[in-house]
Amino acid sequence: ETGVTQTPRHLVMGMTNKKSLKCEQHLGHNAMYWYKQSAKKPLELMFVYNFKEQTENNSVPSRFSPECPNSSHLFLHLHTLQPEDSALYLCASSQVAGENTEAFFGQGTRLTVV
Amino acid sequence: GQNIDQPTEMTATEGAIVQINCTYQTSGFNGLFWYQQHAGEAPTFLSYNVLDGLEEKGRFSSFLSRSKGYSYLLLKELQMKDSASYLCAVRDSNYQLIWGAGTKLIIKP
Repeated sequence: ETGVTQTPRHLVMGMTNKKSLKCEQHLGHNAMYWYKQSAKKPLELMFVYNFKEQTENNSVPSRFSPECPNSSHLFLHLHTLQPEDSALYLCASSQVAGENTEAFFGQGTRLTVV
Repeated sequence: GQNIDQPTEMTATEGAIVQINCTYQTSGFNGLFWYQQHAGEAPTFLSYNVLDGLEEKGRFSSFLSRSKGYSYLLLKELQMKDSASYLCAVRDSNYQLIWGAGTKLIIKP
């Protein structure tokens, strides 16, 4: 098993659809993150959870809704997205947020909004 | 504002050496990371520098100068599998990771 697993790997959705992205980590970490990666742009931090509590929400539109039921699982619920939301969505985990430990990334979900 | 600059793309020859530069302007500094990301894959951790100087790990080395706001990643004895994007990230005074847009490295035979 890889350390951080994301499903699905690819997702095509219409602007009126509702879908969810799932992330699971098997590393015993306490912090989990959602990032958006668009072509030729820096990684954009969307949400941070530390010990299941949301600690960061970087001005993300409400059409993206995170959920962290426990330290091993993280979801990103999507509804009424826009074409500009098409991107690679990466999940990551680390030992604890706010400390100098490296983050481990999942392979991402390639999202296309049509 | 906070900013990380790195070249968009570089090309090098198999067996050669390449240096990928990263300059940063951030509010505070708590370490610099380099990650490798193959197309369609997860970014993977390569190196971490918090003190000035060179950190060596096999064929890869990373250098940091905090006074200059500058780092580089040095890749020796290049192999075709080194073709990937290399991401530079700095942890600021709030321990937020600020990312560069990545350098796409193309290795030619």
